Amino acid sequence: AQTVTQSQPEMSVQEAETVTLSCTYDTSESNYYLFWYKQPPSRQMILVIRQEAYKQQNATENRFSVNFQKAAKSFSLKISDSQLGDTAMYFCAFMKVGSEKLVFGKGTKLTVNP
Amino acid sequence: NAGVTQTPKFQVLKTGQSMTLQCAQDMNHNSMYWYRQDPGMGLRLIYYSASEGTTDKGEVPNGYNVSRLNKREFSLRLESAAPSQTSVYFCASSWAKGSTNSPLHFGNGTRLTVT
Repeated sequence: AQTVTQSQPEMSVQEAETVTLSCTYDTSESNYYLFWYKQPPSRQMILVIRQEAYKQQNATENRFSVNFQKAAKSFSLKISDSQLGDTAMYFCAFMKVGSEKLVFGKGTKLTVNP
Repeated sequence: NAGVTQTPKFQVLKTGQSMTLQCAQDMNHNSMYWYRQDPGMGLRLIYYSASEGTTDKGEVPNGYNVSRLNKREFSLRLESAAPSQTSVYFCASSWAKGSTNSPLHFGNGTRLTVT
């Protein structure tokens, strides 16, 4: 079974600074996908960024980028130029290719301070 | 487009009562899912439906039943609610299974309290 671990229950960052959220996972699969979801206080789950395991190039989406280390089974999220609207819970998630099941980590609560 | 719509947004039940959570999506997605979110636990899959007419158990199916009424709608039923089912429930949908090109789209959740 796959597991996803987010070792930082809470983090804070000053507005305009950069913050990195950690995620590690355990799997015996070679083909899989990784995701970061954001859950603001409104409760809605929003996809932030996604990565295919077969791609060596790290995914980027505007101010969000990942550091994907397949051998180390690590998938960290970097948020640059943090904004107050980035305050949210962030969930790392794993999905095996062809599977219906998205496995989530327990989340990291990020607070961006003015 | 409304995306994924869940009703109700909030519900309080007494132990032993039954209720159905409704979910509908207007994106013509094939797959639909029910997750529950508990503090410190992340989201856990209850049931999913890969296509109209099929349903399968997820990680935590006990105490729940589901119905894929048609392609748009996927309901979750609690036959006899228990305090352990106090949680926030999310419905989600995707076009196809297991792909980054088909990420999950989530509804806004239902906060259920069982007393």
